[in-house]
Amino acid sequence: DQQVKQNSPSLSVQEGRISILNCDYTNSMFDYFLWYKKYPAEGPTFLISISSIKDKNEDGRFTVFLNKSAKHLSLHIVPSQPGDSAVYFCAASAHEYGNKLVFGAGTILRVKS
Amino acid sequence: DAGVIQSPRHEVTEMGQEVTLRCKPISGHDYLFWYRQTMMRGLELLIYFNNNVPIDDSGMPEDRFSAKMPNASFSTLKIQPSEPRDSAVYFCASSRTVPLSNQPQHFGDGTRLSIL
Repeated sequence: DQQVKQNSPSLSVQEGRISILNCDYTNSMFDYFLWYKKYPAEGPTFLISISSIKDKNEDGRFTVFLNKSAKHLSLHIVPSQPGDSAVYFCAASAHEYGNKLVFGAGTILRVKS
Repeated sequence: DAGVIQSPRHEVTEMGQEVTLRCKPISGHDYLFWYRQTMMRGLELLIYFNNNVPIDDSGMPEDRFSAKMPNASFSTLKIQPSEPRDSAVYFCASSRTVPLSNQPQHFGDGTRLSIL
C-alpha cells in the first residue's frame, strides 16, 4: 500500500524555467511533509518541509505547496539550475506514528542547460 | 558540524557471512533511523531508536537482521547470515526532538552492500 506516491518517474526542464514536482498521499493522519534531494552515491539531503497547518512554505528558489483537501503537495523550483539535477523524494510523517518517514519512489529531475 | 557518518561505504561479501554496518549520528540528535533502499521497494524504514532505545522494528525484514544502539553516538545494523537479496544501499539518519516543532531527518551517505 503506497501511502506516498510520486507518479512522475522523471522530469526534464530547461535551465531558468520552473520545475514542478508532484506528490500525492493517502493517509489523512500525515501532518508533516518533506522534500529531499539525492545525488548519486550520496544520502538524501533535506531540502524543505511544510507542516499541515500551512499551505505554503518558501525557501529561496524552493517553494512547497500543500493542498490538504486533495492530499497533494508540490515542489516548485524557480529558476531551475543544472545543479538541481537529482532525484527528489517526497516524504510524510505523522506525530501519532512516532514521526516515521514514509517516502515516495522519487522523481528524477534533469535540468538542461 | 559533522553530519551522519556511516561505515563502510561499500561492502562486498559472500552469502552466509555476517555483515555489520555502522553509524554515528549527529551529536545532540536523539533519534536514529536505519533505512534500506532497493530498486523494487525504494526507501523503507527498518528500525528507529529514541534515546538509544528501539522504538519500532516493524520494518526489519527477518530475524537475520538486528540493530543495536549501545550509546548516543553509535549504532550498528547486523545481518547474519547474509543472503544475496540483502544487497541494497543502507542509510542511517538522525534527528532531534524540539518541543512543538517537527524536525527533519539528516541522512548519511549510505553503505552499498553487495552479497555474492
